[in-house]
Amino acid sequence: VQLLESGGGLVQPGGSLRLSCLASGFTFSEYAMSWVRQTPGKGLEWVSSIGGADDDTHYADSVKGRFTISRDNFKQMLYLQMNSLKDADTAIYYCAKDGESWNGVWDAFDLWGRGTMVTVSS
Amino acid sequence: EIVLTQSPGTLSLSPGERATLSCRASQSVSSTYLAWYQQKPGQAPRLLIYGASRRATGIPDRFSGSGSGTDFTLTISRLEPEDSAVYYCQQYGRSFPLIFGGGTKVEIK
Repeated sequence: VQLLESGGGLVQPGGSLRLSCLASGFTFSEYAMSWVRQTPGKGLEWVSSIGGADDDTHYADSVKGRFTISRDNFKQMLYLQMNSLKDADTAIYYCAKDGESWNGVWDAFDLWGRGTMVTVSS
Repeated sequence: EIVLTQSPGTLSLSPGERATLSCRASQSVSSTYLAWYQQKPGQAPRLLIYGASRRATGIPDRFSGSGSGTDFTLTISRLEPEDSAVYYCQQYGRSFPLIFGGGTKVEIK
């Protein structure tokens, strides 16, 4: 059972990046998924969540209108499309899985990936 | 929007001692939707407690959670060297945004 993020890197302010998270070992379509970020040395910040289907999405105010979360249940993949990136978006981005099967209520995160680093700098 | 305030910022204790970590919410939080995580340096967070008092799978029974309303507590009954980490509380459930507290660092002397 694991989550593996990819797609991080160095990007200039105003640029775009697409993060991916490959899930394995569980029935991906049955669980809500989220992205959580952490500036090195700082605390955790929730970024975005998506329900078991892809029609229930939520975003932090800091990324609303710039980031888009999506999922491909057939490929067992979670995505985060990040546009108009700012210096403040520099962080480690974690993919996280809800602890309970999707029932319309968002759960605690019982599985996390190792994270992928995004650096926004000119 | 709920704010979760964790205290103390840093706790320095010896092995075998009891650690008491506080998470205070700016407004009432359903105990059904309060979680605690442990994060060691260079690692992803790990779920310890959910529903305020339920231990996650594989979590030793020296970790316990309690509380309701606006005041929640994580207790580590007998500290071990491997408990050195930052601990975060989190509100989840039916409303957004999902909120994390600022964290408490536990140092083992």
